[in-house]
Amino acid sequence: DIVMTQSPTSMSISVGDRVTMNCKASQNVGSNVDWYQQKTGQSPKLLIYKASNRYTGVPDRFTGSGSGTDFTFTISNMQAEDLAVYYCMQSNSYPPTFGGGTKLELK
Amino acid sequence: EVQLVESGGGLVQPGRSLKLSCAASGFTFSNYYMAWVRQAPKKGLEWVATISTSGSRTYYPDSVKGRFTISRDNAKSSLYLQMNSLKSEDTATYYCARHAGIVSSPFAYWGQGTLVTVSS
Repeated sequence: DIVMTQSPTSMSISVGDRVTMNCKASQNVGSNVDWYQQKTGQSPKLLIYKASNRYTGVPDRFTGSGSGTDFTFTISNMQAEDLAVYYCMQSNSYPPTFGGGTKLELK
Repeated sequence: EVQLVESGGGLVQPGRSLKLSCAASGFTFSNYYMAWVRQAPKKGLEWVATISTSGSRTYYPDSVKGRFTISRDNAKSSLYLQMNSLKSEDTATYYCARHAGIVSSPFAYWGQGTLVTVSS
């Protein structure tokens, strides 16, 4: 199975910050990485698919990039409502596998 | 509006069985691959099963293969997960999810989840 390693595991941030997190695949997954947001007590929500495409209705402060084994997710202007755990997932081959998550907390 | 509503979770003893259901609405159910994804308490996400539009193809990770069975009833817009020989490590919130398209597509919509606790 492909292992997805996210870093950092947590970040202390302030509203207005630019936030960047990473996801590394154990083998080449092309551009088949998706990013999900999970707020406390809620189900996950798809934000980015195929590395860099924003899903319907997702604000443009959320961006993704990368290919092959290294991927980046960025929030350009952190809002309080963005506090959550963010997961990457590879959908290149079965089984789809998730990273361990990056938790955003207020400084 | 897409809605996925899970039911059937609860407390079950190790070795016993449980069947989860997911009622779908707001989209043409028969046009989409569907899946179950679980999350153990305070842990990350783990894909559990996927089923094709007709139900003829199913996919599982090794951790549940042979114990879990995913199925669907397109006439009822419903998805199911039959879980047998349950283990304590199956304790998790189980989410019903709709793929964005084909089997290797992301999970575009998720239900609110149903909690399964396996304990004696």
